[in-house]
Amino acid sequence: GAVVSQHPSRVICKSGTSVKIECRSLDFQATTMFWYRQFPKQSLMLMATSNEGSKATYEQGVEKDKFLINHASLTLSTLTVTSAHPEDSSFYICSARALGVDYGYTFGSGTRLTVV
Amino acid sequence: AQSVTQLGSHVSVSEGALVLLRCNYSSSVPPYLFWYVQYPNQGLQLLLKYTTGATLVKGINGFEAEFKKSETSFHLTKPSAHMSDAAEYFCAVSGGSNYKLTFGKGTLLTVNP
Repeated sequence: GAVVSQHPSRVICKSGTSVKIECRSLDFQATTMFWYRQFPKQSLMLMATSNEGSKATYEQGVEKDKFLINHASLTLSTLTVTSAHPEDSSFYICSARALGVDYGYTFGSGTRLTVV
Repeated sequence: AQSVTQLGSHVSVSEGALVLLRCNYSSSVPPYLFWYVQYPNQGLQLLLKYTTGATLVKGINGFEAEFKKSETSFHLTKPSAHMSDAAEYFCAVSGGSNYKLTFGKGTLLTVNP
């Protein structure tokens, strides 16, 4: 079945630094990828939608300059948290959707980001 | 516009008992409905989905859900709970051309021995 690999699974960084999270579709071409943020004991909040080769579409209230999303190929999307602050600490999850698949969304295993 | 309401943020059942997790949705277009399970510090795993056709959908691990348009519901059930079913469950809806998934707030299922 479809597999999405997300790395790293955990990362601790210092305040003011940037962190990159990768999301790869291993056995299918992901025409659309989604990035979510999940606060403890809460639901998933969609941050942005990205289509291969085009700019990401951000949800209202999500800072484009802080959360940089790149979807340069059909198998790779990256989320870079720039100038991270403690309030950016969260669980980030990516999801990929393949063209032609009947509404199939496959999720990565998530990245726990802690900013100290 | 679309939304999901999961009734009960926490459901507790005994091992072997029926599991019923409730989900109601609203959607301005014919909905596609999903149930996902999440274990601690992990991503989401698809349990089942309804797109078109048969309204009773069977999924993995013995779960099933029934799409009831008149009630705008998509409740998740399992006849007999196992300890391994303890997790967070999310109902989600998708519709329209943007393919966005809208999630409910989740229901934490605990299974007591």
